[in-house]
Amino acid sequence: DARVTQTPRHKVTEMGQEVTMRCQPILGHNTVFWYRQTMMQGLELLAYFRNRAPLDDSGMPKDRFSAEMPDATLATLKIQPSEPRDSAVYFCASGDDQQTGISDTQYFGPGTRLTVL
Amino acid sequence: AQSVTQPDIHITVSEGASLELRCNYSYGATPYLFWYVQSPGQGLQLLLKYLSGDTLVQGIKGFEAEFKRSQSSFNLRKPSVHWSDAAEYFCAVASSGGSYIPTFGRGTSLIVHP
Repeated sequence: DARVTQTPRHKVTEMGQEVTMRCQPILGHNTVFWYRQTMMQGLELLAYFRNRAPLDDSGMPKDRFSAEMPDATLATLKIQPSEPRDSAVYFCASGDDQQTGISDTQYFGPGTRLTVL
Repeated sequence: AQSVTQPDIHITVSEGASLELRCNYSYGATPYLFWYVQSPGQGLQLLLKYLSGDTLVQGIKGFEAEFKRSQSSFNLRKPSVHWSDAAEYFCAVASSGGSYIPTFGRGTSLIVHP
């Protein structure tokens, strides 16, 4: 049963610290999405990768957030420095658009719950 | 720009009753439409999708949804709700041209009474 994995599942850190969240997409998938979920804003798209290239990161605060795909099996989202307002659940999702041209199904990981004190 | 409205923040139904969750979208052309479900502490899971063709779409867990272009709606239905259906439900819309990036609604929380 292929699934997206995310680590860590929970992270508590202090303001100003660097946070790195990792995602392993489903093997063979070529698209990766990063989302942030909060009660106030709902589900927001932070970044979108296709074949490891960033196609859209317009939703990501550029001054402190960065997203990369070092290889096809790993996506990372970093926050440096972290702030209390970054507290949220961060989801990674992967998809496959190689057959139809669209990732018509996104497979979500379980999320990383981040608390910044 | 595309957008999604889920007018109901919470819906409460009795187990065995029918369910309809509302979703309205804004998009200039024919959209791609989706319903996802999120159980507590979990990621989202796709219930069903409309890409083209038959406007009545069947999904997993006994759910269905109907695309109504004239009403810009994609409401989710289930004839008989089970206690395990209690969860958060998200409607999403994506453009049928371009880079395809879905926009999610704010979600509807379904509460099921025994």
